[in-house]
Amino acid sequence: NAGVTQTPKFQVLKTGQSMTLQCAQDMNHEYMSWYRQDPGMGLRLIHYSVGAGITDQGEVPNGYNVSRSTTEDFPLRLLSAAPSQTSVYFCASRRTRGAYEQYFGPGTRLTVT
Amino acid sequence: QQQVKQSPQSLIVQKGGISIINCAYENTAFDYFPWYQQFPGKGPALLIAIRPDVSEKKEGRFTISFNKSAKQFSLHIMDSQPGDSATYFCAASRLQGGSEKLVFGKGTKLTVNP
Repeated sequence: NAGVTQTPKFQVLKTGQSMTLQCAQDMNHEYMSWYRQDPGMGLRLIHYSVGAGITDQGEVPNGYNVSRSTTEDFPLRLLSAAPSQTSVYFCASRRTRGAYEQYFGPGTRLTVT
Repeated sequence: QQQVKQSPQSLIVQKGGISIINCAYENTAFDYFPWYQQFPGKGPALLIAIRPDVSEKKEGRFTISFNKSAKQFSLHIMDSQPGDSATYFCAASRLQGGSEKLVFGKGTKLTVNP
């Protein structure tokens, strides 16, 4: 199993540009989520999904969109990038029943200039 | 409102020493308390977790101590090694219901000097 994969690993955007961060998992996990990590702020939840077609907002959803058309994929869209969105983004997945371990991807480092 | 408070923000320990990281939570409905370890440039990975029905859980050199009445839990790393140098996050959640979110502390950067 590849686990949770994220692309790209690094990205530089100009203010106002849009882009999609890709996330995929091959563990058949129902629950997927996106976090951003900023120095001294820990991991903050952006959006999450408990299954295909179901998404909900986390702690810091503004400026981001998500959709979940398949169990495997959970892309994160930045509609109009702002310097405040400079961060490291992590995708994670877990089962919704039984074992509760949440698996994280390797992260995407995004810089908005 | 910060639901999980973690301290210290950074910690420097000599090789062979004991590293102790503390967390406090507010929501008494939480019933799952994991610790995640993150190395530079990597995603966090589950290190050890505890349920509130036990006061201590040990896995190798890593121990979680849990105090339900004080709403506090801590990670102890015995015989700390330079390879333990990483950022550690405590977290809390409820297991009931598949949509329950994991709430993280702000992290502790541990440096173990050789």
